[in-house]
Amino acid sequence: TQLLEQSPQFLSIQEGENLTVYCNSSSVFSSLQWYRQEPGEGPVLLVTVVTGGEVKKLKRLTFQFGDARKDSSLHITAAQPGDTGLYLCAASLQGDAGNMLTFGGGTRLMVKP
Amino acid sequence: NAGVTQTPKFQVLKTGQSMTLQCAQDMNHNSMYWYRQDPGMGLRLIYYSASEGTTDKGEVPNGYNVSRLNKREFSLRLESAAPSQTSVYFCASRRYSRRSYEQYFGPGTRLTVT
Repeated sequence: TQLLEQSPQFLSIQEGENLTVYCNSSSVFSSLQWYRQEPGEGPVLLVTVVTGGEVKKLKRLTFQFGDARKDSSLHITAAQPGDTGLYLCAASLQGDAGNMLTFGGGTRLMVKP
Repeated sequence: NAGVTQTPKFQVLKTGQSMTLQCAQDMNHNSMYWYRQDPGMGLRLIYYSASEGTTDKGEVPNGYNVSRLNKREFSLRLESAAPSQTSVYFCASRRYSRRSYEQYFGPGTRLTVT
């Protein structure tokens, strides 16, 4: 069982649709990050959230950190083919020095034109 | 500013062979990491180096060794490769920003052990 559970694992949608990806755990995190990974490349950091209830927007992407800092969501509005990729959440456990990040299993998104 | 670089990009080994994966970063970060990525498993930490001169085991260290050569370079060695080590390997470095630690990844090394 992974410490961070992401859902759904796979998502295939049409261009213009909205979608939400979830990252859940039973542990409390000091911070949580979202990365996007394209085929053949390494993950690229999208956003970091540190405060319970925090909401951050990055163009059409909206990230939310749960009030209890145990979960997070990523919402994409009007998805485009360029949003296709693997979305990973990663978190530092509360109390950890931050040396280790725990990653979720990822959500693989495909946006069809 | 190249960020994090890794060599080689692809490698095929026979069982029992050894090799070293190289990683370098030019962002003056203190901490560096080695991960492996397998289908459906996300990223798993092999080893990390919190600062020059120190290394520590991660979640899956068996079968690997590391060397933090200097602040820029962190290498991963497979002494006797096994098919279970077929994977994509990523190196990362870390900085502290906005009350959190952010990691920056290299492009990966795709390793196949036959």
